[in-house]
Amino acid sequence: DTAVSQTPKYLVTQMGNDKSIKCEQNLGHDTMYWYKQDSKKFLKIMFSYNNKELIINETVPNRFSPKSPDKAHLNLHINSLELGDSAVYFCASSHPRDSQAFFGQGTRLTVV
Amino acid sequence: GEDVEQSLFLSVREGDSSVINCTYTDSSSTYLYWYKQEPGAGLQLLTYIFSNMDMKQDQRLTVLLNKKDKHLSLRIADTQTGDSAIYFCALASGGSYIPTFGRGTSLIVHP
Repeated sequence: DTAVSQTPKYLVTQMGNDKSIKCEQNLGHDTMYWYKQDSKKFLKIMFSYNNKELIINETVPNRFSPKSPDKAHLNLHINSLELGDSAVYFCASSHPRDSQAFFGQGTRLTVV
Repeated sequence: GEDVEQSLFLSVREGDSSVINCTYTDSSSTYLYWYKQEPGAGLQLLTYIFSNMDMKQDQRLTVLLNKKDKHLSLRIADTQTGDSAIYFCALASGGSYIPTFGRGTSLIVHP
């Protein structure tokens, strides 16, 4: 069974649309993350979330919002998509005390 | 500058050792990791070291930590073509536990 799974793997959409990326982990971890990897492979934290606290990277536009229906899921909603949002988005999870993060396979988002 | 810095590229011959270096600024870093990303794939945790350790060896992988110089390295012995990938250094402190990544080093292994 895949530990951290994301869907979809590829997402092509037009500017201005609203889209969601789903993430599920079956590791029993308390903390989940969303990272953005740009075309130069730079990985930047977007959000860190556990059942107590949401930590937002202040550089992330408020068009991006994480939603966690339960401890095993952290979905990423993006409103009014822009060309610059094109990237690979990675979900990850960890136990909060050791931060060994396990990553999903990524979602390649292309905004046209 | 960046909080975590790595060289962008490293090219080695098959069978040689590879050494990938990482420097960082946050002296409170408690957990230090190496991740591997193959083309089109997610990140795979390779190994890690705690800040109270100087060295960790795991089969072909050796991690060295120099806290004084804030320098972390990953040595891959007997490098194989299957080791070609991007290697990311990542650090987390005891405060936030959120891993911060370097820009990654592309390791190219040629015959």
